[in-house]
Amino acid sequence: DAKTTQPPSMDCAEGRAANLPCNHSTISGNEYVYWYRQIHSQGPQYIIHGLKNNETNEMASLIITEDRKSSTLILPHATLRDTAVYYCIVRVASNDYKLSFGAGTTVTVRA
Amino acid sequence: IAGITQAPTSQILAAGRRMTLRCTQDMRHNAMYWYRQDLGLGLRLIHYSNTAGTTGKGEVPDGYSVSRANTDDFPLTLASAVPSQTSVYFCATTLAGGSSYNEQFFGPGTRLTVL
Repeated sequence: DAKTTQPPSMDCAEGRAANLPCNHSTISGNEYVYWYRQIHSQGPQYIIHGLKNNETNEMASLIITEDRKSSTLILPHATLRDTAVYYCIVRVASNDYKLSFGAGTTVTVRA
Repeated sequence: IAGITQAPTSQILAAGRRMTLRCTQDMRHNAMYWYRQDLGLGLRLIHYSNTAGTTGKGEVPDGYSVSRANTDDFPLTLASAVPSQTSVYFCATTLAGGSSYNEQFFGPGTRLTVL
């Protein structure tokens, strides 16, 4: 699976959009981009995933560049409850469903 | 039960003792996983099971064993605990199929301290 690079931390103002970057320059054509987050002391939680088209759900939007070498997770109106570690994961969709978590980005939403 | 339960919630264990962490799910998901999480190292996969009756090794399997006798239960055993196994352990499940959508659901975790 392709390696991902994320900034170790970022701050965001409450009510503003939070844009979380992820670099995956070695991504292959059949690899998907997944985002999870982990709120303090809880298990990780799935947010969104995509292949090449932009995706949106009730939690966030995922913007994938045309060359697929990077993506951005957008939390449209960050709240204090969005403070968490956010993980960008790239993997092939196959019968092997294991996930490889990196260090992620620690996002702190400030009032 | 709803979702994934793990037991115990936390445990302090003497080195050399045997310990089994329990994970039970009621979602009928076929794939299950055990991760450990240590400060500064993120989540690392210990063992996994794609379906009942099968298991596989993850990134850090040494010192741990698992079994998958049925769909719902996936216990993790430390045969002889060592202090380096002090960690938070998360169990996870996935409804594995032919789709790309393989959301993993995580349990609440077990905090284990080995002295």
